Amino acid sequence: DTGVSQNPRHKITKRGQNVTFRCDPISEHNRLYWYRQTLGQGPEFLTYFQNEAQLEKSRLLSDRFSAERPKGSFSTLEIQRTEQGDSAMYLCASSLPLGGLSTDTQYFGPGTRLTVL
Amino acid sequence: DQQVKQNSPSLSVQEGRISILNCDYTNSMFDYFLWYKKYPAEGPTFLISISSIKDKNEDGRFTVFLNKSAKHLSLHIVPSQPGDSAVYFCAASEGRVGTASKLTFGTGTRLQVTL
Repeated sequence: DTGVSQNPRHKITKRGQNVTFRCDPISEHNRLYWYRQTLGQGPEFLTYFQNEAQLEKSRLLSDRFSAERPKGSFSTLEIQRTEQGDSAMYLCASSLPLGGLSTDTQYFGPGTRLTVL
Repeated sequence: DQQVKQNSPSLSVQEGRISILNCDYTNSMFDYFLWYKKYPAEGPTFLISISSIKDKNEDGRFTVFLNKSAKHLSLHIVPSQPGDSAVYFCAASEGRVGTASKLTFGTGTRLQVTL
């Protein structure tokens, strides 16, 4: 399977704990995105990497959230001191822009569902 | 402020008939539009996209129409099949050269295809 993979698929944690999610993009995709989806809503953009550089962050990404993409391959999203409002599906997507085109198609992983008790 | 709107939360269509899902947007800087399908407990699956320089794009049973003046796009599925039952998301991006094409999503339309 050469699609985007995410681990774990489910995470239940207690309020105040730290959690870390991992995303493995499609091979050779140099762009990687994180989104968050809550019930009844569409995914919302969190942050974006081009290779190993984090180039854009949403205002939704508070200082309790940090994302990394060492060596431009897999990425991790860490949430410190989790709150009940962090409960959501965290989605990762990757893409490979075609030539000089500024638009590219993002392919999503299955997501990590976080429940904060 | 919802920049991408899907005003129909749900749609029921008989198998074999046409399904039409609608999407409106307010940001005139959007120039690339995509439709995704999502099953429960899975990530969104890319279906079809359209650039703002076109008004129609077709891929098999799926056709997307774009009306830039009305800031409206629609997804047509013909013929509809039971396996098409899912939540469909419309998404848009501002395609600026050298920048991220972050997607702005609508809230989704749940399509049910009945026998």
